[in-house]
Amino acid sequence: GAGVSQSPSNKVTEKGKDVELRCDPISGHTALYWYRQSLGQGLEFLIYFQGNSAPDKSGLPSDRFSAERTGGSVSTLTIQRTQQEDSAVYLCASSLLSGTAGNTIYFGEGSWLTVV
Amino acid sequence: DAKTTQPPSMDCAEGRAANLPCNHSTISGNEYVYWYRQIHSQGPQYIIHGLKNNETNEMASLIITEDRKSSTLILPHATLRDTAVYYCIVRVAEGGNQFYFGTGTSLTVIP
Repeated sequence: GAGVSQSPSNKVTEKGKDVELRCDPISGHTALYWYRQSLGQGLEFLIYFQGNSAPDKSGLPSDRFSAERTGGSVSTLTIQRTQQEDSAVYLCASSLLSGTAGNTIYFGEGSWLTVV
Repeated sequence: DAKTTQPPSMDCAEGRAANLPCNHSTISGNEYVYWYRQIHSQGPQYIIHGLKNNETNEMASLIITEDRKSSTLILPHATLRDTAVYYCIVRVAEGGNQFYFGTGTSLTVIP
């Protein structure tokens, strides 16, 4: 597709269950970012993938959170043993990284996660 | 990346120009100024970016001071749909790592 695609758009899960959120970046974009935004709050950086380099995981809030990026394209954010405080919209973004517009990042519409 | 400072909130009358300021006094020579906006917790939307020259596109104009320590995003004719949180970010153009979005300016366009 033309833009960053995220799925599911909405997810309601029970406390303690695991969830997987998927991101399809813009074709050809080498960088991929995950952010989290709780209701009424700012964007919280989670993890960043840059080509084949080791990801920057400095924003992951706990070891319940992990992310993979397979084949340099699709990424999956996994939250294990979900807690109510994990309820938020999870935003994925991608960028080219090269060229004068390389650091322009483009966001998907997010995956809304509600833990009940 | 250099840190930015923005006012937390602003109002603007519909149809008037909205001028959103941003201070980035520690900006480096190879860092660009980027502007994004976010409406109703949708994914943030890219607006414009520039290095030192003023820039204009179909959405907005970006005015960067000569010393590059501050900039202003101008929405020439604000509409109700421009009500959003506007983020000013300073970044190198290539490479680098995560974007830090800060708290932004919440712009309310008033009918």
